[in-house]
Amino acid sequence: DAGVTQSPTHLIKTRGQQVTLRCSPKSGHDTVSWYQQALGQGPQFIFQYYEEEERQRGNFPDRFSGHQFPNYSSELNVNALLLGDSALYLCASSYKDIPGHPNSPLHFGNGTRLTVT
Amino acid sequence: KNEVEQSPQNLTAQEGEFITINCSYSVGISALHWLQQHPGGGIVSLFMLSSGKKKHGRLIATINIQEKHSSLHITASHPRDSAVYICAAPNYGGSQGNLIFGKGTKLSVKP
Repeated sequence: DAGVTQSPTHLIKTRGQQVTLRCSPKSGHDTVSWYQQALGQGPQFIFQYYEEEERQRGNFPDRFSGHQFPNYSSELNVNALLLGDSALYLCASSYKDIPGHPNSPLHFGNGTRLTVT
Repeated sequence: KNEVEQSPQNLTAQEGEFITINCSYSVGISALHWLQQHPGGGIVSLFMLSSGKKKHGRLIATINIQEKHSSLHITASHPRDSAVYICAAPNYGGSQGNLIFGKGTKLSVKP
């Protein structure tokens, strides 16, 4: 049973470019959450997708956008990259992480390390 | 918005020692998460707990809902326990994925 997989593992981009990161959730999971972790810091919540819609969003600019596909996999897109976007991007999956539903444990991927030069 | 405070930030222990990491949060929550992050970056979820105590091998997590405080204990610590331990709580009104993370405790266990 595959866990959460993220691709690519590493990526180097130039300031101003655009990047797409991918996340495949654990089998049976339908909710995907994305996080940014700068070096030496704790992760920060970017947004969450459920039923192909962005359900919740953290304090990130519109340059950060996402998508969820019918097979529950998800993409994180970042436009107009800044040097400060260099970070480890993590995704986590869970099952029906919605109000009124029992708490669902999170399963994390190994992350994509993005370097912006 | 929930605020999560974690202590200590750094911890060095000798193999076999009993270790405690503390976490406090400001807003009532449905569950608190303890996570482990190794130098490679991947995060492993250790516990999600809503009340009382949970145990998995040498790891024990406790939570006091009234005091908004949780602890992670490691018994008989081993060098392979060396990692960053992070507690995280759902943001106010948020789902389990919408987490506020503590700054982490970097644990180093010496043989």
